Amino acid sequence: QVQLVQSGAEVKKPGASVKVSCKTSGYTFTSYNINWVRQAPGQGPEWMGGMDPDSGNTGYAQRFQGRVSMTRDTAIGTAYMELSGLRSEDTATYYCVLILTDSDYWGQGTLVTVSP
Amino acid sequence: QSVLTQPPSASGTPGQRVTISCSGSRSNIGTNFVNWYQQLPGTAPKLLIHSNNQRPSGVPDRFSGSKSGTSASLAISGLQSEDEADYFCAAWDDSLEGPYVFGTGTRVSVL
Repeated sequence: QVQLVQSGAEVKKPGASVKVSCKTSGYTFTSYNINWVRQAPGQGPEWMGGMDPDSGNTGYAQRFQGRVSMTRDTAIGTAYMELSGLRSEDTATYYCVLILTDSDYWGQGTLVTVSP
Repeated sequence: QSVLTQPPSASGTPGQRVTISCSGSRSNIGTNFVNWYQQLPGTAPKLLIHSNNQRPSGVPDRFSGSKSGTSASLAISGLQSEDEADYFCAAWDDSLEGPYVFGTGTRVSVL
């Protein structure tokens, strides 16, 4: 079965960067785009961007342009999301997600806390 | 940041029908399919409805979706206590906002 397993919680200081990993299994890694969605406490989900694991091509939401980078290691079926210039409002749970036509698969989420 | 607008809350007694609205624009709901998610506390969102009105395998037929123009709706009939959760609409967006945008969310309470 499809599984997405993310790295553990992180605590970062303002201005720092964070890199979250998403280890996939149960399907061909290069077959589906991997999206990253974050959810701040008490807020709705927010799409950050997505990546074609086959080509490495990425598309980012406008508000994250210049601060986010999505990469992958096809040899180990793992996707990465790095967010730089962290500020307090970046405190959120970050999810990797496969958004297919008739189904979706979410990682368990990675809590990133930004605090002085 | 959400470009899809939902009422913040909705409620009903067990067995009642509850409807949640989702208002968007031509670039998202007006052009693309709408998905609905259910989120229980402390868990990731779960796809409830895709392609406006299709239920993934395992989703009870108490849940139904519809779309008209730039708005969509989720209906829960025969409300049950386990339906108490947050519900979000979502759609692909052809503008620079997206391309995948979520709604503001609606908390459903079972009285």
